[in-house]
Amino acid sequence: GAGVSQSPRYKVAKRGQDVALRCDPISGHVSLFWYQQALGQGPEFLTYFQNEAQLDKSGLPSDRFFAERPEGSVSTLKIQRTQQEDSAVYLCASSFQGSSYEQYFGPGTRLTVT
Amino acid sequence: SQELEQSPQSLIVQEGKNLTINCTSSKTLYGLYWYKQKYGEGLIFLMMLQKGGEEKSHEKITAKLDEKKQQSSLHITASQPSHAGIYLCGADVRASNYQLIWGAGTKLIIKP
Repeated sequence: GAGVSQSPRYKVAKRGQDVALRCDPISGHVSLFWYQQALGQGPEFLTYFQNEAQLDKSGLPSDRFFAERPEGSVSTLKIQRTQQEDSAVYLCASSFQGSSYEQYFGPGTRLTVT
Repeated sequence: SQELEQSPQSLIVQEGKNLTINCTSSKTLYGLYWYKQKYGEGLIFLMMLQKGGEEKSHEKITAKLDEKKQQSSLHITASQPSHAGIYLCGADVRASNYQLIWGAGTKLIIKP
């Protein structure tokens, strides 16, 4: 496809369940970002990949959060033992270069933990 | 982020009227990015500003980065229902070579 895609678009999980969120970036884009967006707030940085290398994971809120991009393309954000405070929209963005310039965002995955 | 303040938080404007949204940084802006987000959707890139005094326009939306490079304004002329949504500014303040800091967004409602 032409843009960044994410799946699922919506996910409802019971507290304690594990979830996996997928991001398909634009083909050829080197950089991939994951953000968490709470209602009424801007995106909060979670982690950054350059190709398959995870260069920064300083924004991951706890060790229950794990992200990977094994072949430098598709990325998965996994949340283990979900908690209610994990409820948010998770946005994925990619950019052509290894910089913050002009990031292209996916539609997001809205996670609701009940 | 308190480092990047957007104002107003929300705005209701009669269709056809002009409006301005501001984004103010506590640090020097090396790049300022405006995005639009509709409910349930991702962010759509609108414009990027890098130089003090720079002004860019796309259709009826104009964005400007002030000379001192710590504030940007987004101006919409003759607003239309299609302009409704949340406008977010993201800033490169050289925290790293890839991280942007983000404002909380301005929610724009257009009254018909």
